Amino acid sequence: DTAVSQTPKYLVTQMGNDKSIKCEQNLGHDTMYWYKQDSKKFLKIMFSYNNKELIINETVPNRFSPKSPDKAHLNLHINSLELGDSAVYFCASSPDAGKLFFGSGTQLSVL
Amino acid sequence: GDSVTQMEGPVTLSEEAFLTINCTYTATGYPSLFWYVQYPGEGLQLLLKATKADDKGSNKGFEATYRKETTSFHLEKGSVQVSDSAVYFCALQEGGGSNYKLTFGKGTLLTVNP
Repeated sequence: DTAVSQTPKYLVTQMGNDKSIKCEQNLGHDTMYWYKQDSKKFLKIMFSYNNKELIINETVPNRFSPKSPDKAHLNLHINSLELGDSAVYFCASSPDAGKLFFGSGTQLSVL
Repeated sequence: GDSVTQMEGPVTLSEEAFLTINCTYTATGYPSLFWYVQYPGEGLQLLLKATKADDKGSNKGFEATYRKETTSFHLEKGSVQVSDSAVYFCALQEGGGSNYKLTFGKGTLLTVNP
């Protein structure tokens, strides 16, 4: 069983569209994250949730809205997609400080 | 805020060569330090960690020692293999309780040739 799974793996869409990425973890962790990795592999935190509560919102445009229906799921909805949103988005979960378990990523391409 | 600087890649080595990837950090306190590895097409995986000064983290032949005096956490391996080809990220932990996050360096691409 995949520990942290995210769907879809690839997402190609037009500018201005709205899209969602889903993430689920079966590890029983309380904390989940979204990270964005740009084309140069630089990885930057976007959000963290602890037991469905938003903890970290790292000055991300409000076109990005995370939602955590329960502590095993953290979805990311993006409105009005822009070219600069093209990146790989990683979901992660954590049982304690520092040890993150990452999903395999969603490659978003905005045309 | 806290930050991590690691050597620019790419690094290309022959099999069985010695590897060093430099990492230095800037932090107000004494953060925990980590190395993560990303294989092609996959998410990051924790490679090793150290939580206090002079701690040595080790895993799969890789080692790194937390040096407070030089604010460094360099990754080393005595003899690399082709299967070690990946992107390596140094990271530090900021915050505590449920309000913690990892800040990553920019990653170093390692290619090992047979």
